[in-house]
Amino acid sequence: DVKVTQSSRYLVKRTGEKVFLECVQDMDHENMFWYRQDPGLGLRLIYFSYDVKMKEKGDIPEGYSVSREKKERFSLILESASTNQTSMYLCASSLLRVGGETQYFGPGTRLLVL
Amino acid sequence: AQKVTQAQTEISVVEKEDVTLDCVYETRDTTYYLFWYKQPPSGELVFLIRRNSFDEQNEISGRYSWNFQKSTSSFNFTITASQVVDSAVYFCALLQGAQKLVFGQGTRLTINP
Repeated sequence: DVKVTQSSRYLVKRTGEKVFLECVQDMDHENMFWYRQDPGLGLRLIYFSYDVKMKEKGDIPEGYSVSREKKERFSLILESASTNQTSMYLCASSLLRVGGETQYFGPGTRLLVL
Repeated sequence: AQKVTQAQTEISVVEKEDVTLDCVYETRDTTYYLFWYKQPPSGELVFLIRRNSFDEQNEISGRYSWNFQKSTSSFNFTITASQVVDSAVYFCALLQGAQKLVFGQGTRLTINP
């Protein structure tokens, strides 16, 4: 079974703090993704990576950065957390092929920024 | 632009009823992939099904079935004899290009005992 894990289920941070969200997958997938989920807005893509040290902006990259130093690990960084970044963050991974590969998701991290 | 619409925000039914969740998509691509995911209260998105645009056969998996109709750009999901454990938010999604998933806003399904 594909396993995607996220470092925390719940996080509470203060405005201005630097926040790291970690994601690890154990299926040797090339692609990794970070989404945020907000009520009424569904899931929106923040960043994705198709290889180590490679990254691509998604639909809402502002205020975020990412790091992929190893194939199995993809980190989302909030350089200076703000209250509007309070959300559910979901990591996913998939194989890199011509197209159509299923994305498998982790359990999510609920982040509250005070 | 690619878009997925799940017009039903919330559905509530009594256990053992059948329920259909609607999904309508927009794309200019001739090759595309559609997905359904389930999100139980725990939060994790659970993959249910993937369908490519060249395969219009309906699919059945136990109590779950999917009706894909290219003519109406719809990919509807039916649960037969619903159970309380089916209560969740369900998302329909369209794969844009090789990697980018476009999600609908989700349908919250509540099955009452």
